[in-house]
Amino acid sequence: AQSVTQPDIHITVSEGASLELRCNYSYGATPYLFWYVQSPGQGLQLLLKYFSGDTLVQGIKGFEAEFKRSQSSFNLRKPSVHWSDAAEYFCAVGAKTSYDKVIFGPGTSLSVIP
Amino acid sequence: NAGVTQTPKFQVLKTGQSMTLQCAQDMNHEYMSWYRQDPGMGLRLIHYSVGAGITDQGEVPNGYNVSRSTTEDFPLRLLSAAPSQTSVYFCATTNTGATEAFFGQGTRLTVV
Repeated sequence: AQSVTQPDIHITVSEGASLELRCNYSYGATPYLFWYVQSPGQGLQLLLKYFSGDTLVQGIKGFEAEFKRSQSSFNLRKPSVHWSDAAEYFCAVGAKTSYDKVIFGPGTSLSVIP
Repeated sequence: NAGVTQTPKFQVLKTGQSMTLQCAQDMNHEYMSWYRQDPGMGLRLIHYSVGAGITDQGEVPNGYNVSRSTTEDFPLRLLSAAPSQTSVYFCATTNTGATEAFFGQGTRLTVV
């Protein structure tokens, strides 16, 4: 069965600083990988996804993520954080062979200091 | 285009009461699922359905029932609410191949 870990429960960065959120997954085959963002009181919005091909994927709002099979990781990055990026970020893994179930990590809460 | 609609948005129940959380989608997606979100736990899969008439259990199914009589609707039933079911519930649909999940706005449930 697939699983996801996000080692950082909470991260605080200054506005304009770079950001990296970590995600590690466990799955026996090539996974489908996702990053979602949740603003307070809102539903989840897809930032980006990886299925195959280029291991560096670009998403919305200036985010990117890199799939590293050898490290079972899919870390999310942004070169310059904006105050509006403060939110909860979830990494998720899907597996087509498991009836398309998508399993989420516990989330990382991001705070941005002006 | 409404996408995924959940009702109600807020609900308070007494222990032992039953209720149904509604989820409707107009995206013609075969796959639908229910998650609960608790602090520090992320989203945990309760039940899912790969099409009308087909449902299966996720990570935390106990205390919840589902059915899928149509492609559009996927209600979640709490037969006898418990305080441990206090949570925010999200319904999601996914197109075939799990290329993206679309979420409703959530239902905040409190069981007292």
